[in-house]
Amino acid sequence: NAGVTQTPKFQVLKTGQSMTLQCAQDMNHEYMSWYRQDPGMGLRLIHYSVGAGITDQGEVPNGYNVSRSTTEDFPLRLLSAAPSQTSVYFCASRVDREGNQPQHFGDGTRLSIL
Amino acid sequence: SQKIEQNSEALNIQEGKTATLTCNYTNYSPAYLQWYRQDPGRGPVFLLLIRENEKEKRKERLKVTFDTTLKQSLFHITASQPADSATYLCALDNQAGTALIFGKGTTLSVSS
Repeated sequence: NAGVTQTPKFQVLKTGQSMTLQCAQDMNHEYMSWYRQDPGMGLRLIHYSVGAGITDQGEVPNGYNVSRSTTEDFPLRLLSAAPSQTSVYFCASRVDREGNQPQHFGDGTRLSIL
Repeated sequence: SQKIEQNSEALNIQEGKTATLTCNYTNYSPAYLQWYRQDPGRGPVFLLLIRENEKEKRKERLKVTFDTTLKQSLFHITASQPADSATYLCALDNQAGTALIFGKGTTLSVSS
């Protein structure tokens, strides 16, 4: 059971480039989310999805797009990378939107924007 | 909006002692509160969930309390070991019940 899988693990981009961070889970979880983690800021929610075809914004959505065409996958797109988006990105999933459940995290994508 | 504070960025203790980490929250009364462990270079891992009607919950050497009057949760690790060294995060659902909001974490170092 792989859990939550994120690819790539590391990436370096130039300002203005676009890229997609991949996230897949094999637990049939309805709820998935993306966080970024920066020193001194903790984990901040970017976008989340309560099911296929449904997405919504979190605390820091600007500069990021998401889609949820399947239950398993929840990609995060950077449309035009900026140095301020240098961060570690974590994808997470849980059974559904109810708060009384543990959240499962991937091991992150470390992204540097030059 | 709700706010979560973990009032120590770092905590250093000796092996065998009890580590106590604090999580305070404001502007909200969550129904659940969760604790996670994060090791360097890894994603957070779920440890414990406590409900508002549960004053205390235990799992092996871990104990969590939830005081809804003080708006505070305490996380205890008894008989601490160097392997317990990690960053510990508290989290609660946002007021809309749609996402987990995390504190900034407390980094625990246990020396032998």
